[in-house]
Amino acid sequence: KAGVTQTPRYLIKTRGQQVTLSCSPISGHRSVSWYQQTPGQGLQFLFEYFSETQRNKGNFPGRFSGRQFSNSRSEMNVSTLELGDSALYLCASSPEGGGKTQYFGPGTRLLVL
Amino acid sequence: DQQVKQNSPSLSVQEGRISILNCDYTNSMFDYFLWYKKYPAEGPTFLISISSIKDKNEDGRFTVFLNKSAKHLSLHIVPSQPGDSAVYFCATFSNTGKLIFGQGTTLQVKP
Repeated sequence: KAGVTQTPRYLIKTRGQQVTLSCSPISGHRSVSWYQQTPGQGLQFLFEYFSETQRNKGNFPGRFSGRQFSNSRSEMNVSTLELGDSALYLCASSPEGGGKTQYFGPGTRLLVL
Repeated sequence: DQQVKQNSPSLSVQEGRISILNCDYTNSMFDYFLWYKKYPAEGPTFLISISSIKDKNEDGRFTVFLNKSAKHLSLHIVPSQPGDSAVYFCATFSNTGKLIFGQGTTLQVKP
C-alpha cells in the first residue's frame, strides 16, 4: 500500500500570502489529521477530518483551515501568512476516526519570508 | 501548558548499550500512549504503544514501561544501534481525541 503523500514537499511564501497544502491518505483510511511542527513548540495538532467533516480542532487561529474531499484527500489552507507560520506541516491518516495509530506523511516544509 | 513532557532534549549512548527515553504526563485519565520515531525530512513513524491496563509492552529491541502512579512512561532500546539515531516523541490522546505529543528527545547512538 502506498503511504501518506503530501504535496508540495517544500514551499516558500512571503508574509500576507496564502498557501494550500495537500494530503492523500493511505488507501482506505478515512481520517486525516494535520499537525504543525516547529522547533520551539514541537508537534501541535491542527485539526482532524473524518468523512469530510471536521471532528476535532486544535488551538490555532482562524487563518488555519482545512477540508476533506469525498475520496478522503485533504487540503489545509493558511491565509495571511505570518513569519511564525514557518514550520513543517504534517498530515497523518488512520483507518477510522479516533484510530489508535496514525500514519504520517513526509510533511511540507513551509518557509515564510 | 504541556500535558506531555519529555524533559531531556537529547541523549547520547554508545552502540550496543541501552537507551532510555523518558516521558511524563499530567492527566491520570490518559489511557493510551504511543512512541514515534522521526528522521530528518521524514514524517514520524509509529514505534510502539501501550494501554494503561498494562505496565509493559515489548516489541523486539523496544520496550515501553508505564508507571501510572508516577504518570511516567519510558522507552528502552536494547541494544542501541546507530540507525536508531532519530528524534523520539511520546504521545497520547486527549479526552477530546486529539493526539498530543511531547517535545521530543534527540537520540544519538555512537558507533
